[in-house]
This record gives sequence, structure tokens and C-alpha cells, in this order.
Amino acid sequence: QVQLQESGPGLVKPSETLSLTCIVSGYSIGSHYSWGWIRQPPGKGLEWIGTIHHTGSSFYNPSLQSRVTMSLDTSKNQFSLKLNSVTAADTAVYYCVRDAGIFDDWGQGTLVTVSS
Amino acid sequence: DIQMTQSPSSLSASIGDRVTITCRSSQNISNYLNWYQQKPGKAPKVLIFGTSSLHDEVPSRFSGSGSGTDFTLTISRLQPEDIGTYYCQHSYSTRYTFGRGTKLDVK
Repeated sequence: QVQLQESGPGLVKPSETLSLTCIVSGYSIGSHYSWGWIRQPPGKGLEWIGTIHHTGSSFYNPSLQSRVTMSLDTSKNQFSLKLNSVTAADTAVYYCVRDAGIFDDWGQGTLVTVSS
Repeated sequence: DIQMTQSPSSLSASIGDRVTITCRSSQNISNYLNWYQQKPGKAPKVLIFGTSSLHDEVPSRFSGSGSGTDFTLTISRLQPEDIGTYYCQHSYSTRYTFGRGTKLDVK
């Protein structure tokens, strides 16, 4: 059973960089599949942020591409998200997911608030 | 990018009712359409993938159909535990997009 757990600051200041890590257990992220991030602003719908393949190649939502970087750390079996130049519009619950062509495993989500 | 349009945005139904939610894509996505259920305060869970395949342990009262640009999620007999928000999502390309969701509650 794959388990994913997000970690990172719950509060980020405007213009700074949001950094989150997803720790994966029950599966080796470097062996197969892709891994991604999805966010959900309070009371709103789901937005795919990006996906990183187990080989390290990545692809991002075009609307966020200029501000997003994702990376894999196979030695720690975790992957990360960085979103720079954040504004209040980036306030959301951030989920890490396994991308098997469908998002079939999700972390519990972590709320990140952008505020000074 | 491919836009996904869901309808209705909200829906009230009675226990035992047949419920239908539709999703339309802005271009042909073949059968690359997935459905998710989200309960309040929880992460979404995949219900159906590839338009009509039920994911693990999803009750058989859920079904999906369609192809091309028009898709449907049907709950044959609504149960209390089916209350939540439902999202469609395409996986036709690696620029994934979701529908805006359909909030389902009990009358």
C-alpha cells in the first residue's frame, strides 16, 4: 500500500517561495510511475500543478510553469515542489499524488496560506 | 489546453435515486476520462478511470460511459455515503485538467 505524506511550512509570505516535500512509503519512487502535485484553494476545485517522472523528467501546468520546479530524491524516497513569487492566490491545500495515468494515491493534503 | 465542463455544478437527490453527472471536453479525448469523489475535508479518491473502469473497491452502483467529448458518471441508487463532490479529469495529454466539480447532497 503506497502512502504519501506532505510536509512543509503552513505559512509563506507574499513574494517568497513555497516549498513542500512528499515522503513516500510502500513504494520506491525511482522504480516506476510518476509523481505529482495538485492543489485546491479553499472552497474551490482541483488544479493540477505538475508531474515528475521516475526518471526525473517533469511537466507542469502552463499557467504555473514559470514559477514551478519539481524534483526527486530517490535516496530519501521523496519528491518536492517549489513555487516561487507566491501571492494570496496560491493559498490552497496542496496534495501530493502518484500519477499512474490516473491519480490513484493521494496524500492527506497540507494547507499553505500566503500572508504577511 | 483541454477544458472540462461539468454539469450540474450542484445536485440534490434522494436516497435510492439514480444520479447522473455529465462532463464535456473541449476536444476529443477518446476514453481518457477519469472520475474522482471528494468528501469534505478529505483527499479525492479515484472512482472510475478510462471512462468506464471501476477502480479498486468502488461499488458497482457507480458506472461511467461516453467517448470523444461527452461523458457521464451514473450512480444507480444513491446511498448516504455517496454525498460529496465529484470531479472529472482528462488524461489525454500530460496537460491534465479537471472539471469544476459537482456537489452532490441529499434532499
